[in-house]
Amino acid sequence: DGGITQSPKYLFRKEGQNVTLSCEQNLNHDAMYWYRQDPGQGLRLIYYSQIVNDFQKGDIAEGYSVSREKKESFPLTVTSAQKNPTAFYLCASNDRRGSETQYFGPGTRLLVL
Amino acid sequence: AQSVAQPEDQVNVAEGNPLTVKCTYSVSGNPYLFWYVQYPNRGLQFLLKYITGDNLVKGSYGFEAEFNKSQTSFHLKKPSALVSDSALYFCAGAPPGQNFVFGPGTRLSVLP
Repeated sequence: DGGITQSPKYLFRKEGQNVTLSCEQNLNHDAMYWYRQDPGQGLRLIYYSQIVNDFQKGDIAEGYSVSREKKESFPLTVTSAQKNPTAFYLCASNDRRGSETQYFGPGTRLLVL
Repeated sequence: AQSVAQPEDQVNVAEGNPLTVKCTYSVSGNPYLFWYVQYPNRGLQFLLKYITGDNLVKGSYGFEAEFNKSQTSFHLKKPSALVSDSALYFCAGAPPGQNFVFGPGTRLSVLP
């Protein structure tokens, strides 16, 4: 899992609650990514950021928000607007978007109470 | 649209036998291609990548992959499977300057 940490390992969300997943990297990578993993569907891109204070929506951004105030940090908030948040969330980073190898954190499993 | 296909949901192989996990891609340009492995409740671990040059790429843990441009394939191989190779394997493609496209994953079971 390299130099990327995610916390918590498990997270429980109540109805109507916003929750924030942490992602920190010490690889000095410019680009960071959030993916959602559901069984049998592979990884789907939620948001990505190529540089501090800038980020773009991925394929399934609705119900999620992010910030990139520091190069090493890219937190993901799952809002109450996300009606089906139960999934495994993976954070990744690379030197720049596209061709460079992405390295992944250990993941956060989000469950709904 | 860009896509990566892994036509087999599940691959079973006996320990000591060779294994192949298939991947085909529909990605524009000259894509970079990757293989990752995921163990239960863990993140993805990088195995190998193809950028250019030799069509046979060697990676971690004895894995290798063969790039075939005419068949748009990038199959993962290992000469002799281990029980510890049992995991979920993902193929991914990255068009130049664009985001990764992941396949749906193939579950490999190596039987003792």
